[in-house]
Amino acid sequence: NAGVTQTPKFQVLKTGQSMTLQCAQDMNHNSMYWYRQDPGMGLRLIYYSASEGTTDKGEVPNGYNVSRLNKREFSLRLESAAPSQTSVYFCASSGLAGKSGELFFGEGSRLTVL
Amino acid sequence: DAKTTQPPSMDCAEGRAANLPCNHSTISGNEYVYWYRQIHSQGPQYIIHGLKNNETNEMASLIITEDRKSSTLILPHATLRDTAVYYCIVRPYTGGFKTIFGAGTRLFVKA
Repeated sequence: NAGVTQTPKFQVLKTGQSMTLQCAQDMNHNSMYWYRQDPGMGLRLIYYSASEGTTDKGEVPNGYNVSRLNKREFSLRLESAAPSQTSVYFCASSGLAGKSGELFFGEGSRLTVL
Repeated sequence: DAKTTQPPSMDCAEGRAANLPCNHSTISGNEYVYWYRQIHSQGPQYIIHGLKNNETNEMASLIITEDRKSSTLILPHATLRDTAVYYCIVRPYTGGFKTIFGAGTRLFVKA
């Protein structure tokens, strides 16, 4: 199993450009999450989707939008990128029966906004 | 979700046990303690979790105090590859979507 797959792994944007980070999981998990991690910091929750068809804000949602396309896929969109959004973005999923609390993370998408 | 407190960094000699503490004094009755680690800038990796009993798996042991206000992750024989940031979080087994990750403990295993 691939687990949680994120694309792209690296991206450089200019201020004001838009882009979408894609995330897919093949573990039949109900819940999916987007986190960002700035250098030397912990992870901060941007948005989450408790189940297919629902999305909710996390700690730092400003400047982002999300779409839970189906049970497998959860995308994160930056409509007008800013240098403050330079970060590593991690997608995660959870919710398999019997292991509901365990989060599975992707390898990260490294975004630089110039 | 309850928050946790961890020391920012710790050192450990290779081959010795690494004991990583975590305080979670506001933990609720339905919240579990989970430990993750992050090597370099990879995605965090699940290690172990527990509710109130001590737990052990192939990676580590988890000791939770009787009052559940603190816990210790034990890596019994630390290797250089265990150098990483270790996160202690608390969340319910179901729900608990707004899981808060603190800065974690940066463990340095030295030869």
